[in-house]
Amino acid sequence: QVQLQQSGAELAKPGSSVKISCKASGYTFTSYDISWIKQTTGQGLEYIGYINTGSGGTYYNEKFKGKATLTVDKSSSTAFMQLSSLTPEDTAVYYCARDQLGWFAYWGQGTLVTVSS
Amino acid sequence: NIVLTQSPATLSVTPGESVSLSCRASQSISTSIHWYQQKSNESPRLLIKYASQSISGIPSRFSGSGSGTDFTLSINRVESEDFSIYYCQQSYSSLYTFGSGTKLEIK
Repeated sequence: QVQLQQSGAELAKPGSSVKISCKASGYTFTSYDISWIKQTTGQGLEYIGYINTGSGGTYYNEKFKGKATLTVDKSSSTAFMQLSSLTPEDTAVYYCARDQLGWFAYWGQGTLVTVSS
Repeated sequence: NIVLTQSPATLSVTPGESVSLSCRASQSISTSIHWYQQKSNESPRLLIKYASQSISGIPSRFSGSGSGTDFTLSINRVESEDFSIYYCQQSYSSLYTFGSGTKLEIK
């Protein structure tokens, strides 16, 4: 069965970076893009961008350019998102999801990132 | 950016009632709208794709309709497990956006 397993919760200091992983199983990894979505209580669900798991090509929401960097390791069927120059506004749950041409049938379990000094 | 406005923000109903949740787009998006259910501390679950297409494993009481700018998610005879938050999402533009959600709560 299709599964997306994300890495565990992160507690980070302002100004630092974190790297979240999303390991896919149960399907051919390079057949689907992986998208990343941010969820906060105040802003709801925000689309960060996606990575083409075959080519490594990326698309970013303008709002997250310079904040998020998407990469992929095809050998381990894992997608990564690095968040840099963290501020308290980056505190959120981050999801990866398998992008099936615009809709998301499979989601990771979410990774809570807390930014606090 | 395409803005999706969901209404109402909260809907209080009694189990067994049928409900309609609204999602309005700031511009015409054809049928490029998808609906999700999210329960507390869980990931969103896809209910409907492309406005009205059903998803395998989703109960038949969930249905979707609409095109252009106005969309509706209908739940026929709400069950206790349906009380959660519902989101719409558009894929008409490359910059996908989500609505702010409708919370379905027990009356």
